[in-house]
Amino acid sequence: DIQMTQSPSSLSASVGDRVTITCRASESISRYLNWYLQKPGKAPKLLIFAASTLQSGVPSRFSGSGSGTDFTLTISSLQPEDFATYFCQQSYSTPYTFGQGTKLEIK
Amino acid sequence: QLQLQESGPDLVKPSETLSLTCTVSDGSVTSISHYWGWIRQPPGKGLEWIGSIYYSGSPSYNPSLKSRVTISVDRSKNQFSLRLRTVTAADTAVYYCAREYKGIGVPGTWLDSWGQGTLVAVSS
Repeated sequence: DIQMTQSPSSLSASVGDRVTITCRASESISRYLNWYLQKPGKAPKLLIFAASTLQSGVPSRFSGSGSGTDFTLTISSLQPEDFATYFCQQSYSTPYTFGQGTKLEIK
Repeated sequence: QLQLQESGPDLVKPSETLSLTCTVSDGSVTSISHYWGWIRQPPGKGLEWIGSIYYSGSPSYNPSLKSRVTISVDRSKNQFSLRLRTVTAADTAVYYCAREYKGIGVPGTWLDSWGQGTLVAVSS
């Protein structure tokens, strides 16, 4: 299985901050990388697919980059509704695997 | 807008079979662009892909669960289902059904629509 490792595991930031979350794959996955946001008690929501394509309806303050083994999710200016847990997921090969999550908290 | 809704018992005894159904509304399980999948999340933990199925093809399973899991599609009811046999406490989790979109001209697949999830506890 391809292992996905996110860093940091948790992050404190303020409204208006620029934040970056990193996801590293244990082997090259080209651009087969997706990002999700999950709020407590809710299902995950797709933010970005294929490493950098914004899902319809997702605000443009979210962006993704990377290829191969190293990927980043950037939020350019944090809004109150962005405080949640973020997961990356590879779809290069089954079983599709997720990172352990990054919890973004209010400072 | 597509809606997915999980249904099934919220408590299963150890060694028994966990059975869940996902009902698809405002969409069709026979969509040519989509697979239909199950993902689970133990309380306070991360996400695990269980498997997925195309309406006319064979399912794909996580090898860690393959010996115990069956995913199937019922086109007449516009539903797909999960069966997980011989459950233990380690199978206690929120189970999500989701639509898996297979990119055309774009690499990979992604889970673009999710059910709300259902917590299934394994306990005697």
